[in-house]
Amino acid sequence: DTEVTQTPKHLVMGMTNKKSLKCEQHMGHRAMYWYKQKAKKPPELMFVYSYEKLSINESVPSRFSPECPNSSLLNLHLHALQPEDSALYLCASSQDRSQPQHFGDGTRLSIL
Amino acid sequence: EDQVTQSPEALRLQEGESSSLNCSYTVSGLRGLFWYRQDPGKGPEFLFTLYSAGEEKEKERLKATLTKKESFLHITAPKPEDSATYLCAASRGSNYKLTFGKGTLLTVNP
Repeated sequence: DTEVTQTPKHLVMGMTNKKSLKCEQHMGHRAMYWYKQKAKKPPELMFVYSYEKLSINESVPSRFSPECPNSSLLNLHLHALQPEDSALYLCASSQDRSQPQHFGDGTRLSIL
Repeated sequence: EDQVTQSPEALRLQEGESSSLNCSYTVSGLRGLFWYRQDPGKGPEFLFTLYSAGEEKEKERLKATLTKKESFLHITAPKPEDSATYLCAASRGSNYKLTFGKGTLLTVNP
């Protein structure tokens, strides 16, 4: 069982919908991450929060909006997505920069 | 630019046939080399961290080693349940970014 919990596991949405992905960790980690992963590719970093503040935004389109309500929670708000945004969205957490990142099992997102 | 290259891209083994996966890296000021296992439809599962050349870590049938240019994941007497994609990732430690390799898809046949 993973210690990083992501909901929902699957999400199908239209291009005009608004939805949110949620991530929770109770390991006391101070950094949390969002990744996008396409089939047969490694994860691609999207955002990093460190001590609840946005630390890295990898030039992600504004239709993806991250939020970190507290040190245990991370959200990714989705609006007006494109079919090419269909992917596995992974959340991860780590104690600090050089410590291993621990991943959740992801949300499989499909855009119709 | 930091680079991590994994080889081979795919590896088929018979149960019990030991082998090694390679991860070569070009990362200025390496602070950590990480190995993950990923099953289809799941997130990467953390296996090992290696911090300095000469370091070795073991877990069941897996053993990870690190030199100044590459890391190896040795699999001894693999079983079908070891079938997965194995990812290698490197960290500079100056920020939160990991540079991932493209992975090695391991298939172990019974």
